[in-house]
Amino acid sequence: EIVLTQSPGTLSLSPGERATLSCRASQSVSGSYLAWYQQKPGQAPRLLIYGASSRATGIPDRFSGSGSGTDFTLTISRLEPEDFAVYYCQQFDSSSLYTFGQGTKLEIK
Amino acid sequence: EVQLVESGGGLVQPGGSVRLSCEASGFTFSSYWMHWVRQAPGKGLVWVSRINSDGSITSYADSVKGRFTISRDNAKNTLYLQMNSLRAEDTAVYYCARKGPGSGTFDPWGQGTLVTVSS
Repeated sequence: EIVLTQSPGTLSLSPGERATLSCRASQSVSGSYLAWYQQKPGQAPRLLIYGASSRATGIPDRFSGSGSGTDFTLTISRLEPEDFAVYYCQQFDSSSLYTFGQGTKLEIK
Repeated sequence: EVQLVESGGGLVQPGGSVRLSCEASGFTFSSYWMHWVRQAPGKGLVWVSRINSDGSITSYADSVKGRFTISRDNAKNTLYLQMNSLRAEDTAVYYCARKGPGSGTFDPWGQGTLVTVSS
């Protein structure tokens, strides 16, 4: 099973700052199968990025994804108040199917 | 507007059963793979099960295999999850989700329904 480890566990930043979230896989993941989700308290997750770097419909361009192999990154270029939430990475492969990272909580400093 | 609405959650005794439903609207339900994903209170997301567009292919996480059954009724635009032999560790919000863009993604998600397994 591919294990995804996200870091940091909690990231404290101020609006307007740049956020960099990391997702590391225990073995190589096809970039086509790496996604990022945002979840706010009491809400369902929302797809942000798929295929490691493609933004989902309606996602602002301040969100970007990058990476390959075992290291992937979600970057929020300039934080808006509504961006403070928990972020999950997720991968798909034919053996372990779908796995999520444990999440990074982005909180207001 | 694409919408997924779950129902059927509640308090269930250990060893008991419950069936969750997910009613879909705003898209051609019969064309999409569908999934169930769960989230224990205060914890992360865990994929539970998937079903292909015509219901002929299903897959399960090891933790629920043999106890949960996913199914769908395309005439009713509804996805189901039959949950048997429930355990305390099955307590979670259960989300249904449609296959999203690209490969292996979930988009959109329903609002979730809470299943609590407790005596």
